[in-house]
Amino acid sequence: DAGVIQSPRHEVTEMGQEVTLRCKPISGHDYLFWYRQTMMRGLELLIYFNNNVPIDDSGMPEDRFSAKMPNASFSTLKIQPSEPRDSAVYFCASRVGAAGGVRGTQYFGPGTRLTVL
Amino acid sequence: DAKTTQPNSMESNEEEPVHLPCNHSTISGTDYIHWYRQLPSQGPEYVIHGLTSNVNNRMASLAIAEDRKSSTLILHRATLRDAAVYYCILRRFQGAQKLVFGQGTRLTINP
Repeated sequence: DAGVIQSPRHEVTEMGQEVTLRCKPISGHDYLFWYRQTMMRGLELLIYFNNNVPIDDSGMPEDRFSAKMPNASFSTLKIQPSEPRDSAVYFCASRVGAAGGVRGTQYFGPGTRLTVL
Repeated sequence: DAKTTQPNSMESNEEEPVHLPCNHSTISGTDYIHWYRQLPSQGPEYVIHGLTSNVNNRMASLAIAEDRKSSTLILHRATLRDAAVYYCILRRFQGAQKLVFGQGTRLTINP
C-alpha cells in the first residue's frame, strides 16, 4: 500500500491567494483527519470525516478554511484567502473505523509545507 | 480529554536503552495509552499502545504503572534513527475519535 498521499508537498503562495491541499487516504479507511502543525501551537486537529461526512470541524480556525470529502478516496482542504499566519505543515491522516481497528491507529501522510508570503 | 505530561527533551547514547516517561494522573478506566513518534520532516507514526498490561512489539515496549497514572516507553537499543519527538496520548475507547497531541519529548541520540 502506498500509504496516505498528500499533494503538493510544498506550496508557496502570496497573501490573498486561494490554496488547495489534497489528500488520498489509505484504501478501505473510513476516517480521515486534517491536522496543522506549527512551532507555536504544535499539532492541532482541524477537522475529521467519517464515511465522507464531516463529524467535527471545531478545530477549523475560521471561515477562510473549508474541507470537503467528495468520495472515499479524496479530500481537500482549502484556504481562501490565505494569510501569512496560515504558514504551517498540514497533515492528513486516515484510519479504519472502530469495528476494524480498536486501537485507533492513525496513519499520517508526509504533509504539505505551506508558506504564505 | 485527560492530559499527559512529558519532559520536553531527553538525550541518550546509541545502542543504549531509553526510557521515556509520561504522567497521566487523570486517566479514566476506558482510556488507552498511545505512543506516536515524529521523525524529522515526517508525519507522526504509531509506536505502541496499551490499556493495563505491559506491551511489547518490534519497535518498543510499554510499561504501565499499576495505578495507570504513569507509563514508560522503552526503546531497548536506541539507534540514530530513533531520534524523534515522542508523543504520549490518551484515547478513550469509545466516543471521540480524536488524538490530542501535546508537545511531546524530543529525543536526541548521540553516536
